Amino acid sequence: DGGITQSPKYLFRKEGQNVTLSCEQNLNHDAMYWYRQDPGQGLRLIYYSQIVNDFQKGDIAEGYSVSREKKESFPLTVTSAQKNPTAFYLCASSQAGYYNEQFFGPGTRLTVL
Amino acid sequence: KQEVTQIPAALSVPEGENLVLNCSFTDSAIYNLQWFRQDPGKGLTSLLLIQSSQREQTSGRLNASLDKSSGRSTLYIAASQPGDSATYLCAVFTGANSKLTFGKGITLSVRP
Repeated sequence: DGGITQSPKYLFRKEGQNVTLSCEQNLNHDAMYWYRQDPGQGLRLIYYSQIVNDFQKGDIAEGYSVSREKKESFPLTVTSAQKNPTAFYLCASSQAGYYNEQFFGPGTRLTVL
Repeated sequence: KQEVTQIPAALSVPEGENLVLNCSFTDSAIYNLQWFRQDPGKGLTSLLLIQSSQREQTSGRLNASLDKSSGRSTLYIAASQPGDSATYLCAVFTGANSKLTFGKGITLSVRP
């Protein structure tokens, strides 16, 4: 059963901690993406990767970091430098190229205590 | 800078109505447009993808049209059902930074 999995579903972070959100896909997609969703705003791109061992900053990359060591995995680390990390985080993937559909995972809700 | 607008933000209709959800975008140089559905607290489900060269796509009771020159897309839902209640988002792909630019969504409530 192909798809995108994200874990955990809920994550609580204390001030000053780094946390890592997991994203795994078994769709054999080359491209993967991280978006952030806040109430009343559209989704905003944090980072994207079009190929293993390469990734690019999106619109709101400050305070976040990623790695792409395997095709199927694209973890996102929310660092203590991110001033307002409480949000819903969505991972997506697609075939490479400009004409391909993006598919999304179920999301991780991060709350800072 | 590409901007995507969806108006109204919320819509409530009785069951059985045919309805149209609107999406507008400012830059017509797009590669494709996607419509998504999002249930509360869940991820996005892709409903329809329209390539820039296409005028419409259909899936079941859903039909999406694209008028690239005027910067508009519509999602038509036939014979609405309470199970259609969700937030519907449209997003355009321009190739810049390989990202989708999203509207804020329309929250649809279908009353039994």
